[in-house]
Formats: sequence, C-alpha cells, structure tokens
Amino acid sequence: DIQMTQSPSSLSASVGDRVTITCRTSQSIRNYLNWYQQKPGKAPKVLIYSASILQSGVPSRFSGSASGTDFTLIISSLQPEDFATYYCQQSYSTPGTFGGGTKVEIK
Amino acid sequence: EVQLVESGGGLIQPGGSLRLSCAASGFTVNSNYMSWVRQAPGKGLNWVSLFYADGRTYYADSVKGRFTISRDNSRNALDLQMNSLRGDDTAVYYCARSADHGGNLYFDLWGRGTLVTVSS
Repeated sequence: DIQMTQSPSSLSASVGDRVTITCRTSQSIRNYLNWYQQKPGKAPKVLIYSASILQSGVPSRFSGSASGTDFTLIISSLQPEDFATYYCQQSYSTPGTFGGGTKVEIK
Repeated sequence: EVQLVESGGGLIQPGGSLRLSCAASGFTVNSNYMSWVRQAPGKGLNWVSLFYADGRTYYADSVKGRFTISRDNSRNALDLQMNSLRGDDTAVYYCARSADHGGNLYFDLWGRGTLVTVSS
C-alpha cells in the first residue's frame, strides 16, 4: 500500500493567517491526490482534486500544489469557517489511502 | 436533489451481522464508482469497500471475507453486508460517490454517515 505522511497533525492559527499542510507519499502517484475538509459531526467535503484543481464552489483561498511526492494544501487567509480537520487522499492505487489528518484550531 | 442517505447502523454484539444501505437520489448508482468509507471515533478516514462502475469490487484487507458490497438497481442503492463484526469495526460508515478525473477518483458526494457500534 502507498503510505501517506501528512503534517502537521495539528496546528493553531489565527484568522487571516496563511496555513500550509503537507502530504508526502511513499512513491510517485502522479497527480492522483485529493484534499478534503471535515468539520465535527459532518461528512468530509472535497476541496481540491488532482493535486491542484479547485472543486466547484470552494473558495479561492484554498489552493493545492505538487512537487514529486510532496503535495501541499494552502489556505491563503484563514477564515473562521476553515477551522476543521483536513485530509489528503491518494487514488493512484487501490486502496485509496488517506493521510492521518491535520486539525486546524483557533489560536 | 443529488444526495446519499445511509441507514442500518446500530449497536450489535461481537460476532453479529448488520446490513447497511445507502439510498441515492439524483443520479444512478450503477453508473458510478461507489464506496463505503469508515471513521472510528476520534480517528481518521479508511476506505472499506469499492464498487467500480464496471462491476468489479474491492475490499480492504481488514474486512475481506467478512463484508460484502452490492448494488440494488431497483432501489438505486448501495448495500454493505457486514458479518463476524468485531470491536474494531466500530465506526461511522459513510457512503460516497467518486468522480473520475483522468483516472484520479475523488469522492465528490458523501452521505451523512451511519454509526455502527460493536459491543457486548
């Protein structure tokens, strides 16, 4: 199975901060990397797919990029509704493994 | 409205069986990649089972031989038969649809989830 190393596991940030979350894969997965946001008690919601494509309806402050086996989710200016847990997920091989998650908390 | 609604969760004793169902509306289940994903309390997400649009199925090693995924075209639903349940199967089970972007499958539609608790 492809291993996903997501970091950090948690972070504290303030409204307006720039937030960066990283996901490193154990092997090349091309751009088959997706990012999800999950709020407590809710189902996940896709933010970014294929490493850098913004899902329809998702604010443009979210962006994704890739460099080899390193993938990055950036929130350019954190908003109150962005406090949540974020997961990366690869679909290059079955099973489509998820990263361990990054909990973004209010500083 | 395009949505997924899960049902069938509950409290079950170890070794027991449970059948989850996911009713789809606004699209056709048998034309899409459909999955079950679970999340243990306070933990991350894990892909349990996948029903490919072409009829192939996939199971995580942890559930292989115990869980069976199926589609019911008459109900436009996805089911998950879970047998020989264990404590580590306790989780919220989500039904999810995958979109395909150049071979990359990503979950573009999720249900609200149904809680399965395995305990004596």
